[in-house]
Amino acid sequence: EAGVAQSPRYKIIEKRQSVAFWCNPISGHATLYWYQQILGQGPKLLIQFQNNGVVDDSQLPKDRFSAERLKGVDSTLKIQPAKLEDSAVYLCASSSERGDTNYGYTFGSGTRLTVV
Amino acid sequence: AQSVTQLDSQVPVFEEAPVELRCNYSSSVSVYLFWYVQYPNQGLQLLLKYLSGSTLVKGINGFEAEFNKSQTSFHLRKPSVHISDTAEYFCAAALQAGTALIFGKGTTLSVSS
Repeated sequence: EAGVAQSPRYKIIEKRQSVAFWCNPISGHATLYWYQQILGQGPKLLIQFQNNGVVDDSQLPKDRFSAERLKGVDSTLKIQPAKLEDSAVYLCASSSERGDTNYGYTFGSGTRLTVV
Repeated sequence: AQSVTQLDSQVPVFEEAPVELRCNYSSSVSVYLFWYVQYPNQGLQLLLKYLSGSTLVKGINGFEAEFNKSQTSFHLRKPSVHISDTAEYFCAAALQAGTALIFGKGTTLSVSS
């Protein structure tokens, strides 16, 4: 099966600019997650979607970050305006259904954002 | 709140030596537990997972982990490491299916000859 697709792979922007990341999860996976991984740290959840609805966005800095999953399939994460501390790898993941005996999470390769 | 603690930030080891990467989680209920490996400039690759059943879980590349409910631990082991095992290792937990993974801070495994 195809994995979780993310683009772009790398992005360099100046502070105060805007940027968007795209994610296409594994086909049939209803739950999609966006994580932020700062260098030297573990991934931190930003937002979780179930189909096209938000389940948890408690750690999303809503003054500058936004995300959507309009048709319940692919998703976009946006930052506007970007700050230097937003430099990180942004990982997208999806998970299989609750009744799956082989339940698990699959991660994309990530987008490495550098804000200068 | 649920948390995952990786007890060692860095583990240096010689090639062909055994290694254990330690992970503790905080939860009073059943959890799903995972170990991921991350090579430089790459995404997270699943090594193994514990959902239920046997407490000894075998994964890819010769790794295994043991779920210990009384000690709330899920330590990762390999009897003989290779240079190619040099990477960042993350322990993660989820309260149940459909909830987000909570990650530890990671352990850097450095294998030298």
